[in-house]
Amino acid sequence: EAEVAQSPRYKITEKSQAVAFWCDPISGHATLYWYRQILGQGPELLVQFQDESVVDDSQLPKDRFSAERLKGVDSTLKIQPAELGDSAMYLCASSTTFGDEQFFGPGTRLTVL
Amino acid sequence: GDSVTQMEGPVTLSEEAFLTINCTYTATGYPSLFWYVQYPGEGLQLLLKATKADDKGSNKGFEATYRKETTSFHLEKGSVQVSDSAVYFCALSPNNAGNMLTFGGGTRLMVKP
Repeated sequence: EAEVAQSPRYKITEKSQAVAFWCDPISGHATLYWYRQILGQGPELLVQFQDESVVDDSQLPKDRFSAERLKGVDSTLKIQPAELGDSAMYLCASSTTFGDEQFFGPGTRLTVL
Repeated sequence: GDSVTQMEGPVTLSEEAFLTINCTYTATGYPSLFWYVQYPGEGLQLLLKATKADDKGSNKGFEATYRKETTSFHLEKGSVQVSDSAVYFCALSPNNAGNMLTFGGGTRLMVKP
C-alpha cells in the first residue's frame, strides 16, 4: 500500500541552528500539506502545495520557515534559525487534487534545546 | 474563522464499554466532517467521514452522524477494545476550500483490559 514517507523521524537540534525535513507524497498526489502538531494539540496547517505552487502559506512563519516543492513531487520544509518554541511534530500529508481524504506520513519529531 | 471543539481527555474505559467522544464545530457553509485516529508513534489515519447533514460515517465499529442542527459530529463505538487506545481528532474541511483541514485538540482514549 502506498504511503507518505518522511525523514528524519526524529531530530534534535540546538536553538539558532538550521533544520530541514523531507516529505515524499504518495505517487500521483498533486496536493501536499505540511502541518505542525504541538504536543497535546491538533495539527495546524503550515503550508499547502498544488503541484509546485503554494496554495496557502498564511500560517507559515515566513521569517524563519520556508517550504519548497520544486518539481511538484517531494518537498522540503526548513527552519532557520530554530527556536525553542519550534519543538513539535511536523506532519506531511498528500491528497489527490479533487479528493477530501488526506494521507499522513509518520511525522518528524523536532526537539530544540 | 472555522473551529472544532472536542471533549478533553484522557477518556479511560474498560474493555467492551460504550464510547462517546463529543465534537462540535463552527463553520460557514456546509463543511465536510472527519474523525482521524493517531496510534502511538504513527501518523494520523482517516477513521470515517461525512460530507452532508444527516450522513453517518462508519468504520471498524466506530460511527458518527453529521448533525447540522446541533453542529456536532460525536464519535461512538458500542464495545471498545484495548487496541482502540489512541488519540482521536475531529476535523472539518470547508466547502469549496480545497482540502484544508481544521483539527480539534484531540482526545486520548485509554482502554484497560
